[in-house]
Amino acid sequence: SYVLTQPPSVSVAPGQTASISCGGNNVGDKSVHWYQQKSGQAPVLVVYDDSDRPSGIPERFSGSNSGNTANLTISRVEAGDEADYYCQVWDNSGDHRSVVFGGGTKLTVL
Amino acid sequence: QVTLRESGPALVKPTQTLKLTCTFSGFSLSTSGMCVSWIRQPPGKALEWLALIDWDDDKYYSTSLKTRLTISKDTSKNQVVLTMTNMDPVDTATFYCARIRGCGGDSAFDYWGQGTLVIVSS
Repeated sequence: SYVLTQPPSVSVAPGQTASISCGGNNVGDKSVHWYQQKSGQAPVLVVYDDSDRPSGIPERFSGSNSGNTANLTISRVEAGDEADYYCQVWDNSGDHRSVVFGGGTKLTVL
Repeated sequence: QVTLRESGPALVKPTQTLKLTCTFSGFSLSTSGMCVSWIRQPPGKALEWLALIDWDDDKYYSTSLKTRLTISKDTSKNQVVLTMTNMDPVDTATFYCARIRGCGGDSAFDYWGQGTLVIVSS
C-alpha cells in the first residue's frame, strides 16, 4: 500500500517561514491535499490539489509537489498556526481505491 | 451551508459492534460526484481513513479493516452509517465523517464533522 512520510515535528519562530514535507513514491504524479488540525478540533482543509487554497484560507499557506516530495509552506508564521498538519492522497492501485494520510507533523511556533 | 454531524455510542464493550451515523445537510448524496467518508483518530495519533461511499453507492474500505467495516447510505434521510464489528480497546478513537465533492477524481475532504469519541472498554 502507498505510504506518505512526514517529519514528526517542525519548529519556527513567529514571522518566519515553515516548510512541512510529505514524501511518497512519485507523489508528484498525485494530487496532494493538506489539512490543519488544531488541538481538540476537527481537521480543516488548507491546501488542495497540490497548491490551491480553499476560500477563507490565507495566502500565507501555499503548496508544491514534484518528484517524491510535496511541501506545505506557511509564510509569516503566526502563533495561531500552531497545529498538526496532515498530507493526504488517493491510492488508485488497480481496481482498488483508498485514501492515504501522512503521519502528521506538529508545527510549534516558538 | 454544508454541515456533517456524527452520532453514536460513546462507550462500547470489547467484541461488540459499533454503529455510527453521519447526518449531513447542505448537499445531496444522490448528486453525481458526491462522497462521504469515515476517518478515525486514536488519542494523540494520526488520522486513519476507514471507508467511503459515493453517489452511485460504490463503496471502498481500508484494506486492513475491510473485514470489519460496512458503510451504507440513506439518501432520503441524508445519512451515512458505518458499522465496525468486533471492537477492541485499540479501536478507541475519535471518529469523523467528511465530505468529498468531485469524488470521481482525487479530490479533498472539504467539509468535516466535529467528530465523536468512542471508547472501547469493559
